[in-house]
Amino acid sequence: GENVEQHPSTLSVQEGDSAVIKCTYSDSASNYFPWYKQELGKGPQLIIDIRSNVGEKKDQRIAVTLNKTAKHFSLHITETQPEDSAVYFCAALYNFNKFYFGSGTKLNVKP
Amino acid sequence: DTGVSQNPRHKITKRGQNVTFRCDPISEHNRLYWYRQTLGQGPEFLTYFQNEAQLEKSRLLSDRFSAERPKGSFSTLEIQRTEQGDSAMYLCASSFERYTGELFFGEGSRLTVL
Repeated sequence: GENVEQHPSTLSVQEGDSAVIKCTYSDSASNYFPWYKQELGKGPQLIIDIRSNVGEKKDQRIAVTLNKTAKHFSLHITETQPEDSAVYFCAALYNFNKFYFGSGTKLNVKP
Repeated sequence: DTGVSQNPRHKITKRGQNVTFRCDPISEHNRLYWYRQTLGQGPEFLTYFQNEAQLEKSRLLSDRFSAERPKGSFSTLEIQRTEQGDSAMYLCASSFERYTGELFFGEGSRLTVL
């Protein structure tokens, strides 16, 4: 199976600063890497994703980069706002049918 | 709203009782997943369906857990003889196979076993 590791587990930044969350995966056959944001008491919400044939993808203040050789991918949030405070999960799609998740990063954006 | 719907949202039960959760996926999605999430952890795979067929079940899932998806529409997850260790958030998610990804989650069903 796949093993996804995520760090840091907690991240505290000042409003307006950037935040970076990193994940590694173990199986080179994984080909799709989504990122989810989870607010307290709610289900995870897909915020951005990247496929293995792309190195970088950007959507307004968030971007994801993928390094297939090193088997790691990262989430970048620029100009952070208090409403960005949440738990973020990375995931990898293994064997085209099963998603494996990282253990999560709790992001706190201080106003 | 045509998102993934789960109910009940919260369930408190006594140890030894049976509980059932229901998930209604996005209507055109043929894949349906169940995940379990405990505090401070990422979602952990339990099982998934393609249409009405249950294609994979996690080895972590004991015999007390059973899931069904009759007619490839809604799904139920039943836990028999609940134990305190079953306390968790049970998440349902769905996707459309053709796009190989884009998994959409429901709001989850939180189970507390006393």
